Amino acid sequence: QVQLQESGPGLVKPSGTLSLTCAVSGGSIRSSNWWSWVRQPPGKGLEWIGEIYNSGSTNYNPSLKSRVTISVDKSKNQFSLKLSSVTAADTAVYYCARVVQDYAFDIWGQGTMVTVSS
Amino acid sequence: QTVVTQEPSFSVSPGGTVTLTCGLSSGSVSTSYYPSWYQQTPGQAPRTLIYSTNTRSSGVPDRFSGSILGNKAALTITGAQADDESDYYCVLYMGSGIWVFGGGSKLTVL
Repeated sequence: QVQLQESGPGLVKPSGTLSLTCAVSGGSIRSSNWWSWVRQPPGKGLEWIGEIYNSGSTNYNPSLKSRVTISVDKSKNQFSLKLSSVTAADTAVYYCARVVQDYAFDIWGQGTMVTVSS
Repeated sequence: QTVVTQEPSFSVSPGGTVTLTCGLSSGSVSTSYYPSWYQQTPGQAPRTLIYSTNTRSSGVPDRFSGSILGNKAALTITGAQADDESDYYCVLYMGSGIWVFGGGSKLTVL
């Protein structure tokens, strides 16, 4: 049973860089799936951030593309998110998710809350 | 930028049937958008209900069904139960590796 677990700082200063990691257990990140990041500001809806394939190919939300970098570390079976120049508007619960070939976000991490504040 | 639209809120009586929809600010939703649906309760991660328009995820009761109705994707809950009270999100694949979530629908069972 594949499981995903997000980790990273819960507090980031404005103008800084948000960095999160998603560890994949019970399966390989080398499988034929995309690995995605989704966020949810408090009291608001879900927003897709971007995704990565095990080859390193990426796709990003156009509205965030200039600030987002998603990378994969196959040796550690994990993938990561970096979001630069953060503001209070980036305060959210950040989820990692697996996207399967049937076009479904089928497995989700539990989410991690990141607050942008000085 | 394309906006994916959902009704902000809906209510249904226990045992009743409700259909939530997922549309586009411009254009029609078809199976080519691979619509999928997710249920979320407060403090929890989303749970996958339906993908590729009408395929139920493993373990999802058959009272949840997906379809295309007119120019929108639809999630129908037949025989609503109290624990169906949740937020429901659709997401569409826009092509070129881009996904867009709808704003979500809050379903009340009363």
